[in-house]
Amino acid sequence: ILNVEQSPQSLHVQEGDSTNFTCSFPSSNFYALHWYRWETAKSPKALFVMTLNGDEKKKGRISATLNTKEGYSYLYIKGSQPEDSATYLCAFSGELTGGGNKLTFGTGTQLKVEL
Amino acid sequence: ETGVTQTPRHLVMGMTNKKSLKCEQHLGHNAMYWYKQSAKKPLELMFVYNFKEQTENNSVPSRFSPECPNSSHLFLHLHTLQPEDSALYLCASSQEGRGYEQYFGPGTRLTVT
Repeated sequence: ILNVEQSPQSLHVQEGDSTNFTCSFPSSNFYALHWYRWETAKSPKALFVMTLNGDEKKKGRISATLNTKEGYSYLYIKGSQPEDSATYLCAFSGELTGGGNKLTFGTGTQLKVEL
Repeated sequence: ETGVTQTPRHLVMGMTNKKSLKCEQHLGHNAMYWYKQSAKKPLELMFVYNFKEQTENNSVPSRFSPECPNSSHLFLHLHTLQPEDSALYLCASSQEGRGYEQYFGPGTRLTVT
């Protein structure tokens, strides 16, 4: 069984706080690591796709890092805002998932940003 | 957003009914996917179509039958479902291959009574 683990499961922070989440995945036969944001009543939206060990990506106040040798990725949100409230999903693809575009998702980290 | 559309958005069906879910993508992608989201579980990949060919059937029961007539349309035909099949069914599309983000539709909330 292929496990993609995310922690924490849920998180409440105050507006302006910075926060980070963890995604762990199998470290062998890696193809890509995806991060998605899923807001309530909307569709999941891609934040980042990372394919190389050491990749760092940034979009506004959100950034992500990737360590394929040890099998983890961090997602960082700087200065959280209420509109950042969502579930953040990571997804892994590799030889163990059967191919480059076949993703195994984690259960997500549910973020609530309070005023 | 209209990149990936799904119909219907909500569906209630009895265990003896036959229904179909429809997905359409307007993004020029060549890969399409069906996912299942059950309560408290991760998004679960059901089927993958690359260039209209099914390349993944993730041990899905035969009461779920996918169809991909062209690279823009994907169907999920449902028959004799069980109450435990009640879930959110999401369609997605992308370019085929590793490293491409997937674009998701709004989903169909299915309830089997």
